[in-house]
Amino acid sequence: KQEVTQIPAALSVPEGENLVLNCSFTDSAIYNLQWFRQDPGKGLTSLLLIQSSQREQTSGRLNASLDKSSGRSTLYIAASQPGDSATYLCAVRPVLSGAQKLVFGQGTRLTINP
Amino acid sequence: GAGVSQSPSNKVTEKGKDVELRCDPISGHTALYWYRQSLGQGLEFLIYFQGNSAPDKSGLPSDRFSAERTGGSVSTLTIQRTQQEDSAVYLCASSLQQGTRYEQYFGPGTRLTVT
Repeated sequence: KQEVTQIPAALSVPEGENLVLNCSFTDSAIYNLQWFRQDPGKGLTSLLLIQSSQREQTSGRLNASLDKSSGRSTLYIAASQPGDSATYLCAVRPVLSGAQKLVFGQGTRLTINP
Repeated sequence: GAGVSQSPSNKVTEKGKDVELRCDPISGHTALYWYRQSLGQGLEFLIYFQGNSAPDKSGLPSDRFSAERTGGSVSTLTIQRTQQEDSAVYLCASSLQQGTRYEQYFGPGTRLTVT
């Protein structure tokens, strides 16, 4: 059974710092990995999707990497801003017969202090 | 364009009542998913629809839960005889099949409270 773990559960940093969020998964047989952000009381916003054949994806100040063989992904946020405060979730789509669901980690709650 | 929409945004119901939650996917998206987000459980998959294929119901927690998708678009999740443990945020997502990509886009969710 695929399990996804995110460390740390919570992180608080001053504005302007670069930071890394970690995600690990137990089964390397995945189609892709997706990073989301969730603001309090809101749904999920897709940030980046990395296909299993890719090593990284970039969008603005965000860079996500994927090492499928070791079951790890990182989300790098450059020059953090207070507006980046949210919960960040990673999710993988396992390669199972007929399965299209995402398996989520518990998330990292990020606070950027002005 | 318009994103995934869900209604109602909040629903309070008494234990034992039935509830219906609605999801309007992004126009043209062939796949639709329901997930549940509850404290201490994280996000759990419930059910998946793809075109006219039989739905993948493997995540439904009990036979009190059912879902349908009419005309390949709007979906309704029904919970019968609600229990307090059903209290959660129910999230809907849709995606367009592009090879193996299936990037999922989520709606704002329906917060269900069973009293």
